This record gives sequence, C-alpha cells and structure tokens, in this order.
Amino acid sequence: QQQVKQSPQSLIVQKGGISIINCAYENTAFDYFPWYQQFPGKGPALLIAIRPDVSEKKEGRFTISFNKSAKQFSLHIMDSQPGDSATYFCAASKGSSNTGKLIFGQGTTLQVKP
Amino acid sequence: EAGVVQSPRYKIIEKKQPVAFWCNPISGHNTLYWYRQNLGQGPELLIRYENEEAVDDSQLPKDRFSAERLKGVDSTLKIQPAELGDSAVYLCASSLAPMAGSYEQYFGPGTRLTVT
Repeated sequence: QQQVKQSPQSLIVQKGGISIINCAYENTAFDYFPWYQQFPGKGPALLIAIRPDVSEKKEGRFTISFNKSAKQFSLHIMDSQPGDSATYFCAASKGSSNTGKLIFGQGTTLQVKP
Repeated sequence: EAGVVQSPRYKIIEKKQPVAFWCNPISGHNTLYWYRQNLGQGPELLIRYENEEAVDDSQLPKDRFSAERLKGVDSTLKIQPAELGDSAVYLCASSLAPMAGSYEQYFGPGTRLTVT
C-alpha cells in the first residue's frame, strides 16, 4: 500500500513533442503528490506538486493531471526541449498527517532528441 | 538563498571502515530528512528530524547507522562499519514544519558513497 508505481522506465521524445509520465498509488491517505527532476550528479529538484482537491495544475510547460478515483497522476511536459533530458520521479506523501515521508516512484529517464 | 549543503560530495572507503556525512539545511527549515538513493531507483527515507528530535527512524538500519542533529540545525549521518551494499547516494533534504502548511522538500546534491 505504500508503493508508488511509475511508468515508463525510459522515454525518448523529439524536440517540441509532449512527454508523458504516469504514476499510480494505492494508499488513499496520500494527499500530496510532487514531481522531481534529477540531473546526473545532482539532487532531485522539486518541479511541480499537486494536492488531491484539484484535477490539474500547470506551471509553464509542466502540467500535472490528477485522477483521484483511479489513484493515478501524470506529468505532461509540453514542447519538450533537450534541456529537459533528465530523470523524473513522482512521489506521494501523507502531508496533512505531518509525517512528511515521501514515497518515490522508480523514476523515468527522459531523453529529448534535438 | 543558499540551498541544502552536503559534504563530502564523494567518498570511497573499504568495507568495515566508518564513514560520516554532513548536512546543513536551508535556513529556517525545522525538518530535516536523510534519504538513500540506490542506483537507478528513487530515494528512500532513512530518518526524519523535527528540530533535534528524530521522529521517524523506522527505516534506519540501527545496527550500523546512526544520526544526530545537535542544536536542530546541522546533521550528521554515520555508518559503522560500512558494507558493500551501502554503496549509494545519501541525500539530505529539508522543509518547513508540515504544520506550517508547506510540504515541499528541498534536496541537497548528495554524497556518493562507494564501498570497496
């Protein structure tokens, strides 16, 4: 029940295309869903996050879509650029219960071809 | 504003040797986390501090791992003795206290540990 399953494991997209990464969770107590971007040799950097009271959140080229009934959420990267090439992690936590423990997915390696 | 600072960035040791990692969180962040990230996987929580108190250490292998956060700011994670399976990146993260309504965790660059 604590797992967050992420797919695909790797993704290749042409420059200007849309990158889509999906995550699924089981624990209905999760109420905070962030996405992190990680470049080689760097720590994960918070990209965008969503709470379950909204179905979509957009920040620039990055959009989270959230489906509470299906217990799924996804990251869409519009107009993908070579600089977006990185590993992306979804995560979930029971933020409102004060635990703060993030459960991470396995990661998706994105390559954007010029 | 300075981010989370970690040192050293890289460490290579022989098995059975001790090793320590240091973390300085973002100023004002009361909550500090240590995560371990194995190659090709997402980070996994080892321990969480609220100020000086370790409030979640259920995933910390206590037979060989220890941590402290004196004065509620900097933190040190220690492994003694190290095993081959401890090779990983050790990440420190910090956040405002969850009760402040902010759940964002900010990660440092990590310490890459190689045990030979």
